[in-house]
Amino acid sequence: EPEVTQTPSHQVTQMGQEVILRCVPISNHLYFYWYRQILGQKVEFLVSFYNNEISEKSEIFDDQFSVERPDGSNFTLKIRSTKLEDSAMYFCASRRQRSTDTQYFGPGTRLTVL
Amino acid sequence: TQLLEQSPQFLSIQEGENLTVYCNSSSVFSSLQWYRQEPGEGPVLLVTVVTGGEVKKLKRLTFQFGDARKDSSLHITAAQPGDTGLYLCAGQETSGSRLTFGEGTQLTVNP
Repeated sequence: EPEVTQTPSHQVTQMGQEVILRCVPISNHLYFYWYRQILGQKVEFLVSFYNNEISEKSEIFDDQFSVERPDGSNFTLKIRSTKLEDSAMYFCASRRQRSTDTQYFGPGTRLTVL
Repeated sequence: TQLLEQSPQFLSIQEGENLTVYCNSSSVFSSLQWYRQEPGEGPVLLVTVVTGGEVKKLKRLTFQFGDARKDSSLHITAAQPGDTGLYLCAGQETSGSRLTFGEGTQLTVNP
């Protein structure tokens, strides 16, 4: 069964450094998402992406964040200058097309900012 | 942003008991998904409900979407230790496609 994959599984970085989190969505899916989950808290929406542009973003997704689909398979989240409070699990998700289609989640990247 | 309240937050029961987890909102969702999440892993889909009043069964798990599409429940019959885990509900907002998650229910089934 097709699944969303994410790399790396764990990323440790110093405060102020840039990180890029990578995702490969399910191949016939058209909508892509990033969510994050701070330890002990609920999953929060960051951004959605469709047709090579951001379709929706939350108040968390400020100027230090950016997303890109550099080729036909990868979907990336870049954090330009990491802060301690960016430490969290970051989940990529994708869905096929219709608004009622299910969003399928990847296994996540645990980002630790020191 | 729509809010989704999930209860209870923690539930510890004995093997063989039944339980129900609730997700409630004052807002309408276009669909609602239930996930199960293991520590350090991503949410794994259990079911998606779309139509108001819809009931779906997955072995001993029964999911219901409220008639007004504002609430949902997950009922587990004869719980087993293998059911132990974090259960999440997530509603898809009617404007846009973001998912709003509940806080989760940490279920422990004791043998």
